[in-house]
Amino acid sequence: QVQLQESGPGLVKPSETLSLTCTVSGYSISNNYYWGWIRQPPGKGLEWIGNIFQTGNTYYNPSLKSRVSMSLDTSKNQFSLKLSSVTAADTAVYYCARDGSTSAFDSWGQGTLVTVSS
Amino acid sequence: QSALTQPPSASGSPGQSVTISCTGTSSDVGGYRYVSWYQQHPGKAPKLMIYEVNKRPSGVPDRFSGSKSGNTASLTVSGLQAEDEADYYCSSYAGSNNVFGTGTKVTVL
Repeated sequence: QVQLQESGPGLVKPSETLSLTCTVSGYSISNNYYWGWIRQPPGKGLEWIGNIFQTGNTYYNPSLKSRVSMSLDTSKNQFSLKLSSVTAADTAVYYCARDGSTSAFDSWGQGTLVTVSS
Repeated sequence: QSALTQPPSASGSPGQSVTISCTGTSSDVGGYRYVSWYQQHPGKAPKLMIYEVNKRPSGVPDRFSGSKSGNTASLTVSGLQAEDEADYYCSSYAGSNNVFGTGTKVTVL
């Protein structure tokens, strides 16, 4: 059974870069799936941030594309998110998830709250 | 890309049915059969309930069903139970992108 776990700083200063890692267990990220990041501001809805495929190909939300970068580390079975030039509007619970290639996220991490504040 | 439009709230008594709509455009919902639905309880991660418009993952009760007509997808929960009270989000493929709906809070009266 696949499990995902987000990790990273819970507090980031404005204008800095948010960095999160998702550790996957029970399944190899080198297999045929997409791996994604989704966020949810407090009290608000879900927002897709982007996906990365096993080949390293990336797909980003157009509204965030200029600030987002995703990568894979197959040796550690992890994938990562970087979001630059953050503001208070980037405060959210960030989830990592597995996408079975039909835009359906079938496994999710528990989520991690990232607050942007000085 | 704009969020898909869902009604903010829906409700029903135990045993009744509730249907939630999800309206997009021909560039997302109307253009692909990759519509998913998620259930989210407070403080928890979303859970996939429906994928590819009307398919249920293993373990999801058959009380949950999905459909699509044109640019609008729908989720129906039949035989409402207390544990169905949650937020529900639709999602659609949008040509190399994904877009979520605005979310609907379902209340079991």
